[in-house]
Amino acid sequence: DVQMTQSPSYLAASPGESVSISCKASKSISNNLAWYQEKPGKANKLLIHSGSTLQSGTPSRFSGSGSGTDFTLTIRSLESEDFAVYYCQQYNEYPPTFGAGTKLELK
Amino acid sequence: QVQLKESGPGLVQPSQTLSLTCTVSGFSLTSYSVHWVRQHSGKSLEWMGRMWSDGDTSYNSAFTSRLSISRDTSKSQVFLKMNSLQTEDTGTYYCARNGATVATLFDYWGQGVMVTVSS
Repeated sequence: DVQMTQSPSYLAASPGESVSISCKASKSISNNLAWYQEKPGKANKLLIHSGSTLQSGTPSRFSGSGSGTDFTLTIRSLESEDFAVYYCQQYNEYPPTFGAGTKLELK
Repeated sequence: QVQLKESGPGLVQPSQTLSLTCTVSGFSLTSYSVHWVRQHSGKSLEWMGRMWSDGDTSYNSAFTSRLSISRDTSKSQVFLKMNSLQTEDTGTYYCARNGATVATLFDYWGQGVMVTVSS
């Protein structure tokens, strides 16, 4: 299975700041990578697919980059609703696998 | 709008069988695949299996021998059955819709059902 390694595990930031989350695959996955947001009491939300394509409804302050094995999720000008857990997921091959998650907390 | 909702027992005894139901609305099971994904407490997500729109199924090899996914299209329901449960199977179980024609992406999720395996 393709192993997905996310870093950091925890990230503290303030509203208005920009943050980046890294996701590394154990082998090349082309651009077959998605990012999800998890918030308590809410259904998980697909933010980005194909490495950098925003899902409909995702605010433009979110962006994704990378291909091959290294990917980054960047959130610019953090808003209060962005504090959540973020997961990357590869879908280049079966089984689809997820990173361990990054918890973005309010500083 | 698209909705998925998991239901099932919150507590299962070790060695018993887990049965969960995913009831969907806003789309047809004959047009979209539905997946089961689980999350151990505080840990990452693990893909379990898929009910394809044509009725075929795919499973994670980690579960193949004890996992079964089925559906009732007339009731818009997808079912998960997993036997020989152990305490390590404790976690939150989600169903999610596949949002792409080819790629395995989860564009809508249920809120999950928490399952505890304990005697």
